[in-house]
Amino acid sequence: QIQLVQSGAEVKKPGSSVKVSCKSSGGSFLSNTINWIRQAPGQGLEWMGGIVPIFDRPTSAQKFLDRLTITADPSTNTVYMELGSLISEDTAVYFCSRTHTASGALHVWGQGTLVTVSS
Amino acid sequence: IVMTQTPLSLSVTPGEPASISCQSSESLLDSADGKTYLDWYLQKPGQSPQLLIYTLSSRASGVPDRFSGSGSGTNFTLKISRVEADDVGIYYCMQRIESFTFGPGTKVDLK
Repeated sequence: QIQLVQSGAEVKKPGSSVKVSCKSSGGSFLSNTINWIRQAPGQGLEWMGGIVPIFDRPTSAQKFLDRLTITADPSTNTVYMELGSLISEDTAVYFCSRTHTASGALHVWGQGTLVTVSS
Repeated sequence: IVMTQTPLSLSVTPGEPASISCQSSESLLDSADGKTYLDWYLQKPGQSPQLLIYTLSSRASGVPDRFSGSGSGTNFTLKISRVEADDVGIYYCMQRIESFTFGPGTKVDLK
């Protein structure tokens, strides 16, 4: 059974960076895209970017291009999402989600990581 | 691609049907393979989203046949034939023909 387990909640100061991990177990880690989606309090879902570990070429939504870094560590089956230059509006739950090999849909989700940006 | 949903809120009597509409600003039909890249997700209270329907009308593993997806081009519908208590939550449509974009969500609760 495929599972995604994310790192714990974080509290960060404005202007700093946060790094959230997503560890995959089961299935093929290298060939499936891991995506990052965030949800601000009481708001909807927003896709941020993703990476296919075997290609190690991340993609990002336009609005995050200059401050989002997504990396993969095949030795530990873990994908990392680092968001820099944090502002209060970055306070959100960050989810990782894995793309299904055949369908391309987001079929497995992590439990979410709350990132709070506050001075 | 901008996604819209109607209604944004829906109260349903258990056992009754429910329907949610989703519209995209561009066609989600890929002419290369004939597939329509529209998915539906349900986020139950306090949980991560879960996949219900993928590629317009295919049910994800374990999803009851009470749920069905339909539509074409830019207009789509999720139908629940008989709503149960476990169906409460926020339903999102999502396009993935060009990157990923979610609709604003439809909150479903019970009367």
